[in-house]
Amino acid sequence: DAGITQSPRHKVTETGTPVTLRCHQTENHRYMYWYRQDPGHGLRLIHYSYGVKDTDKGEVSDGYSVSRSKTEDFLLTLESATSSQTSVYFCAISLAGAPTDTQYFGPGTRLTVL
Amino acid sequence: AQSVTQPDIHITVSEGASLELRCNYSYGATPYLFWYVQSPGQGLQLLLKYFSGDTLVQGIKGFEAEFKRSQSSFNLRKPSVHWSDAAEYFCAVATPERNTPLVFGKGTRLSVIA
Repeated sequence: DAGITQSPRHKVTETGTPVTLRCHQTENHRYMYWYRQDPGHGLRLIHYSYGVKDTDKGEVSDGYSVSRSKTEDFLLTLESATSSQTSVYFCAISLAGAPTDTQYFGPGTRLTVL
Repeated sequence: AQSVTQPDIHITVSEGASLELRCNYSYGATPYLFWYVQSPGQGLQLLLKYFSGDTLVQGIKGFEAEFKRSQSSFNLRKPSVHWSDAAEYFCAVATPERNTPLVFGKGTRLSVIA
């Protein structure tokens, strides 16, 4: 158990509204990630962080922003949600201090944008 | 950039039969390789990983995988499938030289019939 929690676990929102998803870890792991999972696409990296205030874009970053003001929390924000952002969002961490190391995943957040 | 291909979207096997899930990657050097499993409604769980050394890797739940450099493959095997193995399986690759996060395949869904 890597001590990762995500909140909320489920959310339904309307098009155009802002949404923030939270990922919390109980240990001081340097690397944190946000993925989205969609049928037929597997997991696609949205953004990742390698330290407080240090973030980088992933494969599908358009329409998403992230923030990491403290080590244990990594926030994913949809500034103006669209129906194409309906998905299951997973947070992950690397236990070792490298992005190439094993990732451990949170339970996921199911987001529906109407 | 590295990529991962899982050629089989869906596989059905009988309980007690053997299983092989295919994974091919594109990368010039030796990558780090991973297999994850996702049960319905759950997050991803690491089955096994290969970084270096013995090319036959043992994992949890009776799974093993073999790294074949000549075929750029890392296929997952199990000699006798149980009904509880029904899940989605993801192969992932990391490139140590580039120090970038894991790239995931699109997944293979395994169904197990009696």
